[in-house]
Amino acid sequence: DAGVTQSPTHLIKTRGQQVTLRCSPISGHKSVSWYQQVLGQGPQFIFQYYEKEERGRGNFPDRFSARQFPNYSSELNVNALLLGDSALYLCASSLGPGNQPQHFGDGTRLSIL
Amino acid sequence: QKEVEQNSGPLSVPEGAIASLNCTYSDRVSQSFFWYRQYSGKSPELIMSIYSNGDKEDGRFTAQLNKASQYVSLLIRDSQPSDSATYLCAGNAGGTSYGKLTFGQGTILTVHP
Repeated sequence: DAGVTQSPTHLIKTRGQQVTLRCSPISGHKSVSWYQQVLGQGPQFIFQYYEKEERGRGNFPDRFSARQFPNYSSELNVNALLLGDSALYLCASSLGPGNQPQHFGDGTRLSIL
Repeated sequence: QKEVEQNSGPLSVPEGAIASLNCTYSDRVSQSFFWYRQYSGKSPELIMSIYSNGDKEDGRFTAQLNKASQYVSLLIRDSQPSDSATYLCAGNAGGTSYGKLTFGQGTILTVHP
Protein backbone atom coordinates (compact mmCIF):
# COMPACT_ATOMS: atom_id res chain seq x y z
CA ASP A 1 0.00 0.00 0.00
CA ALA A 2 1.19 3.50 -0.75
CA GLY A 3 2.19 5.64 2.16
CA VAL A 4 1.60 9.33 2.56
CA THR A 5 2.63 11.13 -0.60
CA GLN A 6 3.65 14.77 -0.76
CA SER A 7 4.45 17.04 -3.65
CA PRO A 8 6.60 18.69 -4.65
CA THR A 9 9.69 17.27 -2.92
CA HIS A 10 11.68 20.46 -3.21
CA LEU A 11 10.68 24.03 -3.86
CA ILE A 12 12.59 27.29 -4.12
CA LYS A 13 10.73 30.57 -3.75
CA THR A 14 11.57 34.19 -3.11
CA ARG A 15 10.33 36.41 -0.32
CA GLY A 16 6.77 37.61 -0.76
CA GLN A 17 5.70 34.78 -3.02
CA GLN A 18 2.99 32.24 -2.28
CA VAL A 19 3.31 28.46 -2.19
CA THR A 20 0.94 25.48 -2.22
CA LEU A 21 2.01 22.10 -0.89
CA ARG A 22 0.01 18.94 -1.51
CA CYS A 23 -0.55 15.75 0.45
CA SER A 24 -2.36 12.47 -0.19
CA PRO A 25 -2.99 10.36 2.90
CA ILE A 26 -2.66 6.62 3.30
CA SER A 27 -5.69 4.86 1.84
CA GLY A 28 -8.41 4.67 4.47
CA HIS A 29 -6.98 7.50 6.56
CA LYS A 30 -9.37 10.40 6.98
CA SER A 31 -7.24 12.81 8.99
CA VAL A 32 -4.32 14.90 7.75
CA SER A 33 -1.98 17.00 9.85
CA TRP A 34 0.70 19.46 8.77
CA TYR A 35 3.98 20.13 10.55
CA GLN A 36 6.94 22.42 10.00
CA GLN A 37 10.41 21.19 10.86
CA VAL A 38 13.46 23.42 10.91
CA LEU A 39 16.95 21.97 11.12
CA GLY A 40 17.84 20.61 14.52
CA GLN A 41 14.34 20.78 15.97
CA GLY A 42 11.34 18.53 16.25
CA PRO A 43 8.34 19.12 13.98
CA GLN A 44 5.96 21.92 14.97
CA PHE A 45 2.21 21.40 14.55
CA ILE A 46 0.49 23.68 12.04
CA PHE A 47 -2.97 22.19 11.32
CA GLN A 48 -5.07 19.09 11.57
CA TYR A 49 -8.01 18.35 9.29
CA TYR A 50 -10.60 15.64 9.63
CA GLU A 51 -13.60 15.15 7.39
CA LYS A 52 -12.74 18.42 5.62
CA GLU A 53 -12.97 20.42 8.82
CA GLU A 54 -10.12 22.08 10.69
CA ARG A 55 -9.76 20.27 14.02
CA GLY A 56 -6.65 21.94 15.35
CA ARG A 57 -4.37 24.89 14.66
CA GLY A 58 -0.89 25.55 15.95
CA ASN A 59 0.80 28.84 16.72
CA PHE A 60 1.37 29.98 13.16
CA PRO A 61 0.37 33.29 11.54
CA ASP A 62 -2.65 33.70 9.30
CA ARG A 63 -0.34 33.53 6.28
CA PHE A 64 -0.64 29.77 6.73
CA SER A 65 -3.87 28.14 5.62
CA ALA A 66 -4.97 24.68 4.60
CA ARG A 67 -7.90 22.69 3.38
CA GLN A 68 -8.95 19.10 2.95
CA PHE A 69 -10.78 17.72 -0.04
CA PRO A 70 -13.57 15.09 -0.25
CA ASN A 71 -10.97 12.43 -1.13
CA TYR A 72 -9.13 13.38 2.12
CA SER A 73 -6.13 14.86 0.32
CA SER A 74 -4.98 18.22 1.60
CA GLU A 75 -3.22 21.40 0.59
CA LEU A 76 -1.15 23.76 2.72
CA ASN A 77 -0.88 27.34 1.49
CA VAL A 78 1.63 29.89 2.70
CA ASN A 79 1.34 33.51 1.58
CA ALA A 80 3.84 36.37 1.70
CA LEU A 81 6.77 34.03 2.24
CA LEU A 82 9.49 35.06 4.66
CA LEU A 83 13.05 33.79 4.91
CA GLY A 84 12.06 32.12 8.18
CA ASP A 85 9.55 29.93 6.37
CA SER A 86 12.43 27.89 4.98
CA ALA A 87 11.89 24.44 6.43
CA LEU A 88 10.80 20.87 5.80
CA TYR A 89 7.01 20.71 5.64
CA LEU A 90 5.63 17.39 6.71
CA CYS A 91 2.21 15.92 6.17
CA ALA A 92 0.99 13.12 8.42
CA SER A 93 -2.11 11.01 8.06
CA SER A 94 -4.05 8.99 10.60
CA LEU A 95 -7.23 6.94 10.66
CA GLY A 96 -8.94 9.65 12.64
CA PRO A 97 -8.26 12.61 14.88
CA GLY A 98 -7.25 12.40 18.51
CA ASN A 99 -4.81 9.78 19.71
CA GLN A 100 -4.46 7.83 16.49
CA PRO A 101 -0.85 7.22 15.40
CA GLN A 102 0.26 9.61 12.69
CA HIS A 103 2.36 8.48 9.72
CA PHE A 104 4.51 11.00 7.89
CA GLY A 105 5.18 11.54 4.23
CA ASP A 106 8.63 12.33 2.87
CA GLY A 107 8.03 16.05 3.18
CA THR A 108 8.48 19.10 1.00
CA ARG A 109 11.71 21.01 1.50
CA LEU A 110 10.97 24.70 0.99
CA SER A 111 13.79 27.17 0.53
CA ILE A 112 13.15 30.90 0.52
CA LEU A 113 15.73 33.15 -1.15
CA GLN B 1 9.15 23.83 31.35
CA LYS B 2 8.92 22.69 27.76
CA GLU B 3 5.96 20.47 27.02
CA VAL B 4 8.19 17.61 25.87
CA GLU B 5 11.89 17.41 26.69
CA GLN B 6 14.35 14.78 25.61
CA ASN B 7 17.65 13.90 27.22
CA SER B 8 20.46 15.85 25.69
CA GLY B 9 22.58 14.06 23.17
CA PRO B 10 24.24 12.98 21.21
CA LEU B 11 24.21 9.44 22.55
CA SER B 12 26.86 7.00 21.41
CA VAL B 13 26.73 3.26 22.13
CA PRO B 14 28.68 0.27 20.83
CA GLU B 15 27.07 -2.26 18.55
CA GLY B 16 25.13 -4.84 20.53
CA ALA B 17 24.57 -2.59 23.55
CA ILE B 18 21.28 -1.24 24.90
CA ALA B 19 20.50 2.34 23.95
CA SER B 20 18.28 4.23 26.38
CA LEU B 21 16.40 7.31 25.23
CA ASN B 22 14.42 9.39 27.69
CA CYS B 23 11.68 11.96 27.55
CA THR B 24 9.80 13.99 30.15
CA TYR B 25 6.58 15.87 29.58
CA SER B 26 4.31 18.47 31.14
CA ASP B 27 0.69 18.12 32.23
CA ARG B 28 -0.44 19.58 28.92
CA VAL B 29 0.81 16.53 27.04
CA SER B 30 -0.38 13.49 28.86
CA GLN B 31 -2.60 11.19 26.87
CA SER B 32 -0.51 9.14 24.47
CA PHE B 33 3.09 9.03 23.37
CA PHE B 34 4.94 8.10 20.24
CA TRP B 35 8.54 7.46 19.29
CA TYR B 36 9.72 8.35 15.84
CA ARG B 37 13.04 7.61 14.16
CA GLN B 38 14.37 10.13 11.67
CA TYR B 39 17.36 9.43 9.47
CA SER B 40 19.33 12.42 8.24
CA GLY B 41 17.50 14.14 5.40
CA LYS B 42 14.45 11.91 5.78
CA SER B 43 11.04 12.24 7.41
CA PRO B 44 10.08 10.80 10.83
CA GLU B 45 9.12 7.12 10.88
CA LEU B 46 6.79 5.84 13.60
CA ILE B 47 8.40 3.02 15.58
CA MET B 48 6.39 2.81 18.82
CA SER B 49 3.21 4.13 20.37
CA ILE B 50 2.23 3.79 24.03
CA TYR B 51 -1.00 4.79 25.71
CA SER B 52 -0.96 3.39 29.23
CA ASN B 53 1.45 2.98 32.10
CA GLY B 54 3.95 0.15 31.83
CA ASP B 55 6.07 -1.41 29.15
CA LYS B 56 5.32 -2.17 25.54
CA GLU B 57 7.69 -4.35 23.55
CA ASP B 58 8.05 -4.68 19.80
CA GLY B 59 11.05 -6.65 18.61
CA ARG B 60 14.21 -4.95 19.83
CA PHE B 61 12.27 -1.89 21.00
CA THR B 62 10.64 -1.37 24.40
CA ALA B 63 8.71 1.75 25.27
CA GLN B 64 8.07 2.57 28.93
CA LEU B 65 5.51 5.04 30.23
CA ASN B 66 5.27 6.30 33.80
CA LYS B 67 2.47 8.85 34.07
CA ALA B 68 3.07 9.54 37.76
CA SER B 69 6.63 10.65 36.99
CA GLN B 70 5.66 12.12 33.60
CA TYR B 71 8.37 10.08 31.98
CA VAL B 72 8.54 8.02 28.81
CA SER B 73 11.53 6.10 27.51
CA LEU B 74 12.62 3.96 24.60
CA LEU B 75 15.07 1.10 24.97
CA ILE B 76 16.77 -0.37 21.93
CA ARG B 77 18.33 -3.78 22.59
CA ASP B 78 21.15 -5.24 20.53
CA SER B 79 21.77 -1.84 18.91
CA GLN B 80 22.89 -1.93 15.29
CA PRO B 81 24.71 0.71 13.22
CA SER B 82 21.49 1.00 11.20
CA ASP B 83 19.79 2.32 14.37
CA SER B 84 21.93 5.47 14.12
CA ALA B 85 19.42 8.27 13.68
CA THR B 86 17.61 11.04 15.52
CA TYR B 87 14.88 9.75 17.83
CA LEU B 88 11.90 11.99 18.43
CA CYS B 89 9.52 11.68 21.36
CA ALA B 90 6.02 13.07 20.78
CA GLY B 91 3.03 13.47 23.04
CA ASN B 92 -0.64 14.01 22.37
CA ALA B 93 -2.77 15.94 24.85
CA GLY B 94 -6.09 14.73 23.52
CA GLY B 95 -9.22 16.69 24.39
CA THR B 96 -9.49 20.00 22.58
CA SER B 97 -5.88 19.66 21.42
CA TYR B 98 -7.12 16.68 19.50
CA GLY B 99 -4.55 15.42 17.03
CA LYS B 100 -1.76 17.86 17.83
CA LEU B 101 1.52 16.07 18.44
CA THR B 102 4.06 17.97 20.50
CA PHE B 103 7.62 16.87 19.78
CA GLY B 104 10.80 17.03 21.76
CA GLN B 105 13.93 18.36 20.13
CA GLY B 106 15.21 14.87 19.37
CA THR B 107 18.16 12.80 20.55
CA ILE B 108 20.87 11.84 18.08
CA LEU B 109 21.92 8.22 18.52
CA THR B 110 25.12 6.84 17.04
CA VAL B 111 25.81 3.10 17.18
CA HIS B 112 29.46 2.41 16.42
CA PRO B 113 30.78 -0.97 15.29
